[in-house]
Amino acid sequence: QSALTQPASVSGSPGQSITISCTGTSSDVAGSNFVSWYQQHAGKAPKLILYDVNNRPSGVANRFSGSKSGNTASLTISGLQAEDEADYYCASYSPSNTLEIIFFGGGTKLTVL
Amino acid sequence: QMQLLQSGAEVKKPGASVRVSCKASGYIFPDNYIHWVRQAPGQGLQWMGWINPNNGGTNYLRNFQGRVTLTWDTSISTAYMEVSSLRSGDTAMYYCARGPFYMAVWGQGTTVTVSS
Repeated sequence: QSALTQPASVSGSPGQSITISCTGTSSDVAGSNFVSWYQQHAGKAPKLILYDVNNRPSGVANRFSGSKSGNTASLTISGLQAEDEADYYCASYSPSNTLEIIFFGGGTKLTVL
Repeated sequence: QMQLLQSGAEVKKPGASVRVSCKASGYIFPDNYIHWVRQAPGQGLQWMGWINPNNGGTNYLRNFQGRVTLTWDTSISTAYMEVSSLRSGDTAMYYCARGPFYMAVWGQGTTVTVSS
């Protein structure tokens, strides 16, 4: 049972767009539409920013968008703002014959230059 | 407003057990799974397991099977996570979160420190 793979860090300047990838397998990301993304500022609890691949909860800016192709999901943040600097985690529900479990990615630190 | 309120910080000795509580408010408790997620200092999020308060069904990540027990008390809308045989590697922040397939509401976290 392995975590999903994310880049350790990404960076961008205010106003730019960045994309964070999240690579899994046929047992999780590729086989599930229950991919979600979380933002975590230092010292705070995580916050849901995308669910079911590309749906935003109420109150989340439309600068955040998601997609999925095969076993890789992606989070895109457009119009970067200083407040976007945080850690980002993907997660995928992984159904199987005997277990229903959730995998997180290792996390990506976003630095706004 | 949906909220999850967790119990306070714990300091335990190696080999001891700890129980963390997670009280739900603002929604019907049995309607959604409760997940438990661990975050070691400076590390990422690790899903530990979930409980279905509607029927008590549970699922655990293999790493935690046998040492982590998830329970609930519908009468007080509270879920519990107990970790036994604590070791230094269990020092972490523990979060509960409302499911089922994504975590829309999170508790504030409970710090568990294991130290002799």
